[in-house]
Amino acid sequence: QQPVQSPQAVILREGEDAVINCSSSKALYSVHWYRQKHGEAPVFLMILLKGGEQKGHEKISASFNEKKQQSSLYLTASQLSYSGTYFCGTGRYSGGGADGLTFGKGTHLIIQP
Amino acid sequence: NAGVTQTPKFQVLKTGQSMTLQCAQDMNHEYMSWYRQDPGMGLRLIHYSVGAGITDQGEVPNGYNVSRSTTEDFPLRLLSAAPSQTSVYFCATQPGQGIWNEQFFGPGTRLTVL
Repeated sequence: QQPVQSPQAVILREGEDAVINCSSSKALYSVHWYRQKHGEAPVFLMILLKGGEQKGHEKISASFNEKKQQSSLYLTASQLSYSGTYFCGTGRYSGGGADGLTFGKGTHLIIQP
Repeated sequence: NAGVTQTPKFQVLKTGQSMTLQCAQDMNHEYMSWYRQDPGMGLRLIHYSVGAGITDQGEVPNGYNVSRSTTEDFPLRLLSAAPSQTSVYFCATQPGQGIWNEQFFGPGTRLTVL
């Protein structure tokens, strides 16, 4: 099942903070986060694993709540370059990797000067 | 080091025509996959491969064929194009099969089926 992302869209002024959520109806082992700018390919941001390990972008933080089957991406002191569509991806079966990712529908983030 | 390359960048087909979307990588990654992206739908997995000679179906495999004869190449074949296959197609690679590995996406192929 496709993870559910919220909000669908958010508009911020430069310097403001944003939180993007990703919820799954099934047990999560890993969550991937990607950002896509208009007309470009998705670019990797972070991976979070059950158990607390993380890997990814230095300026972006995220959390993984195993009990709630949810991950959140925190964008603090947003910059114009943060604009784009953010996708979370969860493992189709055991965790993501050999069997591919199921992506959410995306959250559109617009940062205004 | 080109990374992940896809050809063509744009393609227009008529209903019923067949074609192959090419994906090549020079990163020696074992895992390759194909996604389609439609407005408001996110990325949906079509087929994937965990190594040369091994392929498997994703969420939306109908109407598409794949093969993997080399580590570098993973072509996607549309057997008989339909307007519902109008989409942007992304190829992605991953260094290994584990859940700790990020995916690297190619630039995409924008396909229109008339």
